[in-house]
Amino acid sequence: EADIYQTPRYLVIGTGKKITLECSQTMGHDKMYWYQQDPGMELHLIHYSYGVNSTEKGDLSSESTVSRIRTEHFPLTLESARPSHTSQYLCASSPEVGLNSPLHFGNGTRLTVT
Amino acid sequence: QQPVQSPQAVILREGEDAVINCSSSKALYSVHWYRQKHGEAPVFLMILLKGGEQKGHEKISASFNEKKQQSSLYLTASQLSYSGTYFCGTENGGSQGNLIFGKGTKLSVKP
Repeated sequence: EADIYQTPRYLVIGTGKKITLECSQTMGHDKMYWYQQDPGMELHLIHYSYGVNSTEKGDLSSESTVSRIRTEHFPLTLESARPSHTSQYLCASSPEVGLNSPLHFGNGTRLTVT
Repeated sequence: QQPVQSPQAVILREGEDAVINCSSSKALYSVHWYRQKHGEAPVFLMILLKGGEQKGHEKISASFNEKKQQSSLYLTASQLSYSGTYFCGTENGGSQGNLIFGKGTKLSVKP
């Protein structure tokens, strides 16, 4: 099984609060991703990273930001949460920059902004 | 650029077969297949690469037709554990080496 961990698993927070969703992997993978997924819907790529100090925006515009200071850690931050940010956020990693290897997903953080 | 999956949903009895299709309007470099059960993370099933190499680890087969820019996932003799939403993810020249996922196919296997 893949070793990629996300915390918290569930988060309910009020509008305007700053939040950080944590993602860590112990596999030494260079490439990491954040996907946003509404219930029963497809996954949308919001951020990705090729390695340390590399961050890129994905296909879906997001007000969140990410950082990659260590290979194993790829946190996502929302400076001011809004109800429109309510969704599930999935972190993933892969060992190669190309896509000849599978993505390993964490269990996700289900965020509710009230 | 998002791949199109069909059908959107399918209901099977245990032991029946199913085919899920994934097609793209752009030339494909690779196609990934994942299964997601309710409340859980997507789990890798299969990668199909341009040139015909196929990699997977479950007793589920797939095909990749580069000319038609489509892939099909074959579920044979379905089991209750096959229930879930199946997503294809495609990589093409415009995706910066990232996967773009289809809307998913919800598969329900009944006893």
